[in-house]
Amino acid sequence: IAGITQAPTSQILAAGRRMTLRCTQDMRHNAMYWYRQDLGLGLRLIHYSNTAGTTGKGEVPDGYSVSRANTDDFPLTLASAVPSQTSVYFCASSNQAGVGDTQYFGPGTRLTVL
Amino acid sequence: KNEVEQSPQNLTAQEGEFITINCSYSVGISALHWLQQHPGGGIVSLFMLSSGKKKHGRLIATINIQEKHSSLHITASHPRDSAVYICAVHPADSNYQLIWGAGTKLIIKP
Repeated sequence: IAGITQAPTSQILAAGRRMTLRCTQDMRHNAMYWYRQDLGLGLRLIHYSNTAGTTGKGEVPDGYSVSRANTDDFPLTLASAVPSQTSVYFCASSNQAGVGDTQYFGPGTRLTVL
Repeated sequence: KNEVEQSPQNLTAQEGEFITINCSYSVGISALHWLQQHPGGGIVSLFMLSSGKKKHGRLIATINIQEKHSSLHITASHPRDSAVYICAVHPADSNYQLIWGAGTKLIIKP
């Protein structure tokens, strides 16, 4: 692994189903982030983690949960998917959560909820 | 009014042209980022600025903190520069969150 990976690449999901999007980084970065990208709205922060064992809510956290059991992994779970969660999801990481640290992005997961 | 606004939303130019993409913001910031999103979806960080100007190859980014404005310039544009360019600011009162612009879609025709 080099950098940050996400799985699956894309997924079509029935409404009401539970889904976990996976994110793994091998850069030993402390901070990790989940964004969703919708046309015309730019990236919106869902949840973040400043360091392993801690998480926080971003701009649009409702309907999503995260965990950070270790440094490398930051899964995003949709407990009961709804069509409005159709989006492209990006995971990112940075060395620190502080000012101006460069964020490195995964390739994204395209999720469609029917 | 969005806190970070980019202009233009869409830009089509001929190969070789000098390109300027603008970003204006309304909050106090500690840093500003320019990122590139390729047609395939991948996002790459280009610059991080807190003052002045930075240059990398054919890309130049400038920022005027007093005017709350930044520009991204591309010299001698090439079709491979076609992408969405995104501006994001790090608010001065936040430890973690970035405020994102909606992006500028650039198409360079051969």
